[in-house]
Amino acid sequence: GAGVSQSPRYKVAKRGQDVALRCDPISGHVSLFWYQQALGQGPEFLTYFQNEAQLDKSGLPSDRFFAERPEGSVSTLKIQRTQQEDSAVYLCASSLLLDTEAFFGQGTRLTVV
Amino acid sequence: EDKVVQSPLSLVVHEGDTVTLNCSYEVTNFRSLLWYKQEKKAPTFLFMLTSSGIEKKSGRLSSILDKKELFSILNITATQTGDSAVYLCAVGSGGSNYKLTFGKGTLLTVNP
Repeated sequence: GAGVSQSPRYKVAKRGQDVALRCDPISGHVSLFWYQQALGQGPEFLTYFQNEAQLDKSGLPSDRFFAERPEGSVSTLKIQRTQQEDSAVYLCASSLLLDTEAFFGQGTRLTVV
Repeated sequence: EDKVVQSPLSLVVHEGDTVTLNCSYEVTNFRSLLWYKQEKKAPTFLFMLTSSGIEKKSGRLSSILDKKELFSILNITATQTGDSAVYLCAVGSGGSNYKLTFGKGTLLTVNP
C-alpha cells in the first residue's frame, strides 16, 4: 500500500482482556517501529525490528507486551491482561533503511475499561 | 537520560502570521533531528536534519539545526488554518535513528 496501515483504528478492551494490534508497513521497508503515545505527550519508543529480527525491545513497559514480525513484513503488537494504564494510541512506523526517515501509520487508540 | 524540550507548548496566531517553533535537546551520540506534523493521530514527516547550519525548506516551512547549541527551529511563514496541528520534534541518539526521543510537541492554532 501507499502508506503504513494499522488496524483496528479503535479498540475498547475490558481490563484483563488480551489484545492484538496489527501494522502493515510500507512495502519494502526494512525497519519497523512501535511507539506508544499517551494523551498530551509525545510518542515513546517501544520496540524496533529490522526485517524479522527484533533488535531492541527495551521500551516495552512490561512482560505483558509482546511484538513480532515473523516474515519481515506485517507486525503484531500483543498486550496480555490489559490494564487501564495501557490506554494510549499505539503508533507503528516504518523506514526503508535504518536512519532514513520513518513514516507513521494512523495509530490504534486503545481504551481499557 | 535523553531529553527533548519543545517551546512554546501552545501558540495561537492569525492567518498570515509567521511562527517559529523551538526544539532543544540533550542526547547521547546525536544522529539526526526530525520534525513531524501531527493532525488527529498520524505524525507526518516534515524534515530530517543531520548537519548544522543547512536550512531545509519545503514551501512555507523551513528548518535549521544548530549542533553546537543543541537546538533546532521550525519556521512557518504566511500561516494558513490548515497549518493547525501539533508539531513534534524527535531526536535519534546512540548513533542511530531507530530509537527516537520525542518532545511533547507544540500545539499550533491558526485562526482565520
